[in-house]
Amino acid sequence: QSALTQPPSASGSPGQSVTISCTGTSGDVGGYNYVSWYQQHPGKGPKLMIYEVTKRPSGVPDRFFGSKSGTTASLTVSELQTEDEADYYCSSYAGSGHVVFGGGTKLTVL
Amino acid sequence: EVQLLESGGGLVQPGGSLRLSCAASGFSFSSSAMSWVRQAPGKGLEWVSGISGSGGTTYYAESVKGRFTISRDNSKNTLYLQMSSLRAEDTAVYYCAKATMTTVVKTLDYWGQGTLVPVSS
Repeated sequence: QSALTQPPSASGSPGQSVTISCTGTSGDVGGYNYVSWYQQHPGKGPKLMIYEVTKRPSGVPDRFFGSKSGTTASLTVSELQTEDEADYYCSSYAGSGHVVFGGGTKLTVL
Repeated sequence: EVQLLESGGGLVQPGGSLRLSCAASGFSFSSSAMSWVRQAPGKGLEWVSGISGSGGTTYYAESVKGRFTISRDNSKNTLYLQMSSLRAEDTAVYYCAKATMTTVVKTLDYWGQGTLVPVSS
């Protein structure tokens, strides 16, 4: 499977909203409702922020919102805060026990 | 509290072998599928392998199939990754991660801090 496509960078000012896209194919994003988003700060392991396209784990602020249309999933972060600055990765189930990740998006809070 | 602690990383020569371990605690280990995900220096995440809660079913990325073997010991709450015929492109931080489901990895809800495996002569 090929990696999912994410923009390499995104940015916004504190208080603003930003949306990160994640484009796949009918064999992954478009075929399953198992899209996840992970936040990774430098030197740390990833943290699950969104799962099954729209669900938030306990403790994740409701400023993080996930959606999907066709073969493209999106993560929207509203009311940006400085601590949101991190790398964000999408992933999707791709069938036959396989998972595929996006290339990652570096979110900068200006 | 869920904890995943990887160990076993270190410098290895091309063509060599290494076994990574991941000690798990804070959840029902045998009820969770598990996975290894790696991250080359300065690069993105790459799914490597997954295993069902019972250990009876395993999955591999094409890039490691035939060279890496995932296994688990549910009596020791430990996940393993046996790596052989290592190449320079296998250089990465290797993360152990817990799946939300028992039989297959679709969502990874907890991750370890990773262990670095440099492959170099």
